[in-house]
Amino acid sequence: DAEITQSPRHKITETGRQVTLACHQTWNHNNMFWYRQDLGHGLRLIHYSYGVQDTNKGEVSDGYSVSRSNTEDLPLTLESAASSQTSVYFCASSESGLGVFEQYFGPGTRLTVT
Amino acid sequence: AQSVTQPDIHITVSEGASLELRCNYSYGATPYLFWYVQSPGQGLQLLLKYFSGDTLVQGIKGFEAEFKRSQSSFNLRKPSVHWSDAAEYFCAVATGGGNKLTFGTGTQLKVEL
Repeated sequence: DAEITQSPRHKITETGRQVTLACHQTWNHNNMFWYRQDLGHGLRLIHYSYGVQDTNKGEVSDGYSVSRSNTEDLPLTLESAASSQTSVYFCASSESGLGVFEQYFGPGTRLTVT
Repeated sequence: AQSVTQPDIHITVSEGASLELRCNYSYGATPYLFWYVQSPGQGLQLLLKYFSGDTLVQGIKGFEAEFKRSQSSFNLRKPSVHWSDAAEYFCAVATGGGNKLTFGTGTQLKVEL
């Protein structure tokens, strides 16, 4: 069965360190998304990609970057981790084309920045 | 810009009772609306979606939602709640292109046995 996986599931890091969160999907979807989930804010879009070599900033992109070198993966990098980036991070993917399609979500990565 | 409001942060219902979770959206064009459920420690699972057509949509796990354009609402309902329905529920709206979702802040549902 097709799926979307995230690793690690839990991560503790120190302020100032670079951190990369992995996202891998086997749906063969062109669209991929990164969200963060915080109490009182729901999910907010960080970055998204509509295909290989395409990346776009979302609502809360400061301090984050992504790269898309193949269809399956969209790693999220925190350039210099800050305590404000302590959160749960979700990756999602969807089909592309005319119309709107549901997004499929990974299990999430809980990141703590100390 | 589009936005989604879920006015109830927490709701508690007894098992077997009916449930309605509120969702209001703000979007200039025809909205594409979703309800997702998140069990503790899990990712989000799609319950149902509205794109066009019949304003009453059926989803998984016995849930339904009704789109009311005049009220800018897309409320989620279930006639009889089960203890396993305890979770967080998110309403979301998509723009017409690109599939980007804007989420509400979520409603935490507690089910009393």
